[in-house]
Amino acid sequence: DAMVIQNPRYQVTQFGKPVTLSCSQTLNHNVMYWYQQKSSQAPKLLFHYYDKDFNNEADTPDNFQSRRPNTSFCFLDIRSPGLGDAAMYLCATSGRGQEETQYFGPGTRLLVL
Amino acid sequence: AQSVTQLGSHVSVSEGALVLLRCNYSSSVPPYLFWYVQYPNQGLQLLLKYTSAATLVKGINGFEAEFKKSETSFHLTKPSAHMSDAAEYFCAVSESGGSYIPTFGRGTSLIVHP
Repeated sequence: DAMVIQNPRYQVTQFGKPVTLSCSQTLNHNVMYWYQQKSSQAPKLLFHYYDKDFNNEADTPDNFQSRRPNTSFCFLDIRSPGLGDAAMYLCATSGRGQEETQYFGPGTRLLVL
Repeated sequence: AQSVTQLGSHVSVSEGALVLLRCNYSSSVPPYLFWYVQYPNQGLQLLLKYTSAATLVKGINGFEAEFKKSETSFHLTKPSAHMSDAAEYFCAVSESGGSYIPTFGRGTSLIVHP
């Protein structure tokens, strides 16, 4: 089945220690998104790619970076995680259109010690 | 600019009772509307969406929603709740001719009692 895969599902890191989360898709979608979701809140968009064009949300901290080496893969790098970065990180994909459905991965839960 | 309001952060129903989750939107142009469900420790999954065809939209797991332009609403209903329906539900909107990135509501947690 076509899907969005995130690895790892759970990630524990230390305060200030860089961490990378990965996302892959078999849907061949143009658009890939990274969301941060904290407990009992809506997902918050960090950035997205349309093909290789990177779009950063204005309030996304510089601590968060992303790479998309090809259509299938996208990475979220957190350069110096703080305690406030502990959250669920969701990757999603879609076609480019206002009516397009977003397909979400299962998420990576990040814990910062 | 588009926006979504979900009334009630928590809705509690008994198993077998009607489920009604409210969503009101604001959009200056015809909207596309979505309901997503999120089970614990999982990603979001599409329940149904409105894309300007039929105003009554049927989705998965027995859910449906009706687009009411006059009320700017897109409420989600299910005639009979099941324990497995307990989850977080998000309404989202995007605008025709606007950004393809949807705006999400704050979510409603559905609690189902035996």
